[in-house]
Amino acid sequence: AQSVTQLGSHVSVSEGALVLLRCNYSSSVPPYLFWYVQYPNQGLQLLLKYTTGATLVKGINGFEAEFKKSETSFHLTKPSAHMSDAAEYFCAVTGAYYGGATNKLIFGTGTLLAVQP
Amino acid sequence: DSGVTQTPKHLITATGQRVTLRCSPRSGDLSVYWYQQSLDQGLQFLIQYYNGEERAKGNILERFSAQQFPDLHSELNLSSLELGDSALYFCASSAAGGGIDYGYTFGSGTRLTVV
Repeated sequence: AQSVTQLGSHVSVSEGALVLLRCNYSSSVPPYLFWYVQYPNQGLQLLLKYTTGATLVKGINGFEAEFKKSETSFHLTKPSAHMSDAAEYFCAVTGAYYGGATNKLIFGTGTLLAVQP
Repeated sequence: DSGVTQTPKHLITATGQRVTLRCSPRSGDLSVYWYQQSLDQGLQFLIQYYNGEERAKGNILERFSAQQFPDLHSELNLSSLELGDSALYFCASSAAGGGIDYGYTFGSGTRLTVV
């Protein structure tokens, strides 16, 4: 079974400041991890994903995340926030299943990012 | 445009009624997933279909059902609607049904309001 915990339902940063959104996961199998962004009245857009290989993953819009197995974490960062980054961010996990099992995504509760001018 | 099409975008209906939400997956994708997003429950996985067959079931009420047709589009049927069913319903598609996958593509959702 998998689960995801996002610490902080609301995060506020100043424009130009570091963005750090926290995600911890639990998985009984090797995890695949994702970050999605949702702008108001829109669907979810994939920011980045970790499957295997390099643990530092770069995504769109300058975001990146690092998979830390020892800490069961997959925190999302961006060096410098922009006003357009204001949105809700969801961390999600699925398992590296083989042989026909489902690969449904389990989502965290989301973090609403506000960017102050 | 993500390639996943959901219709209608908005739906307002009365309690006790039945509605059907439609999803056309991205071209070539065999799996369709339905999610419900509400303020109190967050994003909840409802059900997955892969190439016409049910693959996984999540927190889907007995009043809700889904199917995937030979052309791979899917429909989510919600019946005996209650006020608490008001939510945003998302459909997502992916190429795989099981095994290794690399994320879904989401549609823009159907906002259901039950009055």
